[in-house]
Amino acid sequence: DAGVTQSPTHLIKTRGQHVTLRCSPISGHKSVSWYQQVLGQGPQFIFQYYEKEERGRGNFPDRFSARQFPNYSSELNVNALLLGDSALYLCASSLALNYGYTFGSGTRLTVV
Amino acid sequence: GIQVEQSPPDLILQEGANSTLRCNFSDSVNNLQWFHQNPWGQLINLFYIPSGTKQNGRLSATTVATERYSLLYISSSQTTDSGVYFCAVEPGGYNNDMRFGAGTRLTVKP
Repeated sequence: DAGVTQSPTHLIKTRGQHVTLRCSPISGHKSVSWYQQVLGQGPQFIFQYYEKEERGRGNFPDRFSARQFPNYSSELNVNALLLGDSALYLCASSLALNYGYTFGSGTRLTVV
Repeated sequence: GIQVEQSPPDLILQEGANSTLRCNFSDSVNNLQWFHQNPWGQLINLFYIPSGTKQNGRLSATTVATERYSLLYISSSQTTDSGVYFCAVEPGGYNNDMRFGAGTRLTVKP
């Protein structure tokens, strides 16, 4: 079975640009969460979606948005990129709420 | 919000040694997981363990929810065990975000 898949794996963007990151959960999983991990720190929660509804939002500016599609895949969008947005972006899927999470390999975003 | 503290921050072992990593959390949780992050950034789920004890090969974990801590034991360590180990908890209530500790960086030397 395929695990959590994220695309692209690496991305370089210029300040002020917009970026879209994509995540496909494990088949049958209905919850998708997004995390940002900067170098040397633990992942920080950005969003959680369950059954296509937003169930949680972390302390991130409105430049960050996400959505979940009918097939439970998800997109994370970041507008007006800043140098500080450079990080590893991780997607995690879960069968349902309050179940264990499985993470994808991440998208490494570099903003120059 | 809930606080998650991991200790020690860094650990250097000789191959074959045993180790114990600790995770303290400040409030009740619905979920606790231990992850190993490899050098390529992949977070590998080791244990889903909101309470009790589990074992998987050379690794085992114990969570004492009433005392708000969890322990990860690594026995007969191997160089491939190197990396960062994270404890993550999911607080109770409506929000379902996982809160990660700062991690323990383990280096196993041959």
